[in-house]
Amino acid sequence: GAVVSQHPSWVICKSGTSVKIECRSLDFQATTMFWYRQFPKQSLMLMATSNEGSKATYEQGVEKDKFLINHASLTLSTLTVTSAHPEDSSFYICSARDYTGGTTDTQYFGPGTRLTVL
Amino acid sequence: QKEVEQDPGPLSVPEGAIVSLNCTYSNSAFQYFMWYRQYSRKGPELLMYTYSSGNKEDGRFTAQVDKSSKYISLFIRDSQPSDSATYLCAMSAGGGKLIFGQGTELSVKP
Repeated sequence: GAVVSQHPSWVICKSGTSVKIECRSLDFQATTMFWYRQFPKQSLMLMATSNEGSKATYEQGVEKDKFLINHASLTLSTLTVTSAHPEDSSFYICSARDYTGGTTDTQYFGPGTRLTVL
Repeated sequence: QKEVEQDPGPLSVPEGAIVSLNCTYSNSAFQYFMWYRQYSRKGPELLMYTYSSGNKEDGRFTAQVDKSSKYISLFIRDSQPSDSATYLCAMSAGGGKLIFGQGTELSVKP
């Protein structure tokens, strides 16, 4: 299957600082990437849809000024958590959409980034 | 009622058993169906992908989609301790956005 990388895999930061997470599609071009958040023992919660060259679309309840998303190329999307607070501590996962039209429309996920805000 | 229902388990089986995981859904527009495996503290890994109805086999894994019943299944034959993980069903009507089940936690005991 396709490979999606995320960096960093884990990060600890102080409250009030900003953290950037990178998501790269290594072996295919993804016009659309997605950012998820996952709490322990729960399923994935979609935060936003990132489209190359345009503004991200945020799900209801997700603060777009707090979670800045940039999809500058067909292989890279970034999520910046601004002015992080302890409640932002979570597991953040990105995915890249593999869509060739017709019968193929799926997502490949990155390994995730564990964010801890002190 | 959730769009996708999946028994959260946990499900515990002995090594070598056949495992059956299932999801039901309510949206008849869904046509892209996936099963993901997620190990603790890792991102989901795509196991099986099916478009529309039918069966698909890959090694010890078989995915089935019955659109008439709005029901999908994943079978794991000869289960191994390394199969212990959370299994997520996911589906889409197109447009890329996935709807996930709650995930089933599977434990395969040696």
